[in-house]
Amino acid sequence: GAGVSQTPSNKVTEKGKYVELRCDPISGHTALYWYRQSLGQGPEFLIYFQGTGAADDSGLPNDRFFAVRPEGSVSTLKIQRTERGDSAVYLCASSSGPGTTNEQFFGPGTRLTVL
Amino acid sequence: EDQVTQSPEALRLQEGESSSLNCSYTVSGLRGLFWYRQDPGKGPEFLFTLYSAGEEKEKERLKATLTKKESFLHITAPKPEDSATYLCAVRTVYNQGGKLIFGQGTELSVKP
Repeated sequence: GAGVSQTPSNKVTEKGKYVELRCDPISGHTALYWYRQSLGQGPEFLIYFQGTGAADDSGLPNDRFFAVRPEGSVSTLKIQRTERGDSAVYLCASSSGPGTTNEQFFGPGTRLTVL
Repeated sequence: EDQVTQSPEALRLQEGESSSLNCSYTVSGLRGLFWYRQDPGKGPEFLFTLYSAGEEKEKERLKATLTKKESFLHITAPKPEDSATYLCAVRTVYNQGGKLIFGQGTELSVKP
């Protein structure tokens, strides 16, 4: 079956602009996660949704970052007034539920470059 | 503070040369240790989950083991197609449904 998909695969923007990154989870997966990965580092947690609600947004670095999942499926990560330090690969993952035994399956990521 | 450290940062092997990757963790209550493989330009691909000390899991040339302080990913007779970055991550008692805390990864290169 289809895995997690993310669009766009690459996004180049200018400092100060607004961007939206989209994630389509595996069908039927109720849990959805956003991570950010800088070059040479492991993924860093941003936010976790269970259904439509954000169950944990402790990883969002500041109020320029916001994410939604209005119908409990597709999610959008929104970044306002982008800064060069926001450049990274943004990864989305989904799992069949929040339980400990549920593995997270990752999408290919969106590479964001802020000039 | 919960922390995951992987070593070495990079490892170069000849085809057939077995070795191990290390993942050391300091967490406030482990609820799962995960190994992922990541190829360049792709998202992490799930390999294993370990839950308790003494547990082992195998898949082809890979075997993962877990103690109370660290996990090892043993690679037996590696092939060039095993070249990738291997990531270790933990889930803690305070985040049982949510986030994974990742190490920085070990970049493995296997030469023919």
